[in-house]
Amino acid sequence: DTEVTQTPKHLVMGMTNKKSLKCEQHMGHRAMYWYKQKAKKPPELMFVYSYEKLSINESVPSRFSPECPNSSLLNLHLHALQPEDSALYLCASSQDSGGDQETQYFGPGTRLLVL
Amino acid sequence: AQSVTQLDSHVSVSEGTPVLLRCNYSSSYSPSLFWYVQHPNKGLQLLLKYTSAATLVKGINGFEAEFKKSETSFHLTKPSAHMSDAAEYFCVVRFIYNFNKFYFGSGTKLNVKP
Repeated sequence: DTEVTQTPKHLVMGMTNKKSLKCEQHMGHRAMYWYKQKAKKPPELMFVYSYEKLSINESVPSRFSPECPNSSLLNLHLHALQPEDSALYLCASSQDSGGDQETQYFGPGTRLLVL
Repeated sequence: AQSVTQLDSHVSVSEGTPVLLRCNYSSSYSPSLFWYVQHPNKGLQLLLKYTSAATLVKGINGFEAEFKKSETSFHLTKPSAHMSDAAEYFCVVRFIYNFNKFYFGSGTKLNVKP
């Protein structure tokens, strides 16, 4: 089973709202990722968690706040977003074994619209 | 510098004809290479991967790719396109020294004509 699940599928929020995106995997993977994807563009890396610790933050604005409560769950807390933050947010996971078999598996994404 | 280049932003083929999507990478290090497919408003699905074993890699849905170190290429092919292959395709590279970063190509949109 190589499934990564994300909720919600769609989210509409105002600029003053606080919301959270959720990602879950049960493959025993120890690395989890958040990507942002704008239309007709490749995914852009936002954050990486390795063994539940934040290992990469790609200079993402503080209105995005990641959280990794345990090895299976990854959240992205959203606050005071801007309309330009509207995008598809993708979660991924990988084994984090350090070897050449390291492979990312992606969830279906959350489509976010900020009004 | 390490990078990955997809040489065509759009490729259009007729149903039943071969597909070729091109990908080149630049690196001094041995890479792992992946092809992902993304259908509209969906997540990314792994098609196939090269991770230092056989240079000809077979994936799902009849796709395959060949790693050519001398040409620093990893082109994706399929002998006969199907309408359901119409999607965006991403070539992705990971370098062994930086194992939690995956570098994405800019994508190739495949159009399949009836």
